[in-house]
Amino acid sequence: AQSVTQPDIHITVSEGASLELRCNYSYGATPYLFWYVQSPGQGLQLLLKYFSGDTLVQGIKGFEAEFKRSQSSFNLRKPSVHWSDAAEYFCAVGAQGYSTLTFGKGTMLLVSP
Amino acid sequence: DTGVSQDPRHKITKRGQNVTFRCDPISEHNRLYWYRQTLGQGPEFLTYFQNEAQLEKSRLLSDRFSAERPKGSFSTLEIQRTEQGDSAMYLCASSHVGQGQQPQHFGDGTRLSIL
Repeated sequence: AQSVTQPDIHITVSEGASLELRCNYSYGATPYLFWYVQSPGQGLQLLLKYFSGDTLVQGIKGFEAEFKRSQSSFNLRKPSVHWSDAAEYFCAVGAQGYSTLTFGKGTMLLVSP
Repeated sequence: DTGVSQDPRHKITKRGQNVTFRCDPISEHNRLYWYRQTLGQGPEFLTYFQNEAQLEKSRLLSDRFSAERPKGSFSTLEIQRTEQGDSAMYLCASSHVGQGQQPQHFGDGTRLSIL
């Protein structure tokens, strides 16, 4: 069975600073990987996805993530954080031919002025 | 492009009552998923449909829970004899399978509070 670990429960970043959110997954083959963002009281919005090919994927809102098979990681990055990025971020993994997603527990991003 | 729609957004009910939630997926999507999210956790899979067929159910889906997608369009999730532990956000997602891999798109959820 697959699993996802997001080691950081909370992260605080100054506005304009760079951001990296960590995600490690456990899955026996090449996974499908996703990052979603959730604002309070809202559903999940897809930021980016990895299915195959180029291991550096670009998403919406200036986010990118890199799939590193050797480290079983799919870390999310943004070069310059905006106050509107404050939200909870979830990493998820799906098996190939996937029907369901397994999510991490999320990382809450706080942005300080 | 209309997104995934869920109704109601909030439901408050007394323990022991039955509740039903509705999900309208993105119109061309043939798969529909239900997830549950409790405070401080990521979403957990409950069940999914391909067209009208319910193909998988999680062990989280006790016999008090039932889901339907009668015509392969909208879906309902019913919880009978609600318990305190059912308090959560219930999320619906949809995707299209058949034209390569497509991600799941989520609705805004129904927040259930059990008094």
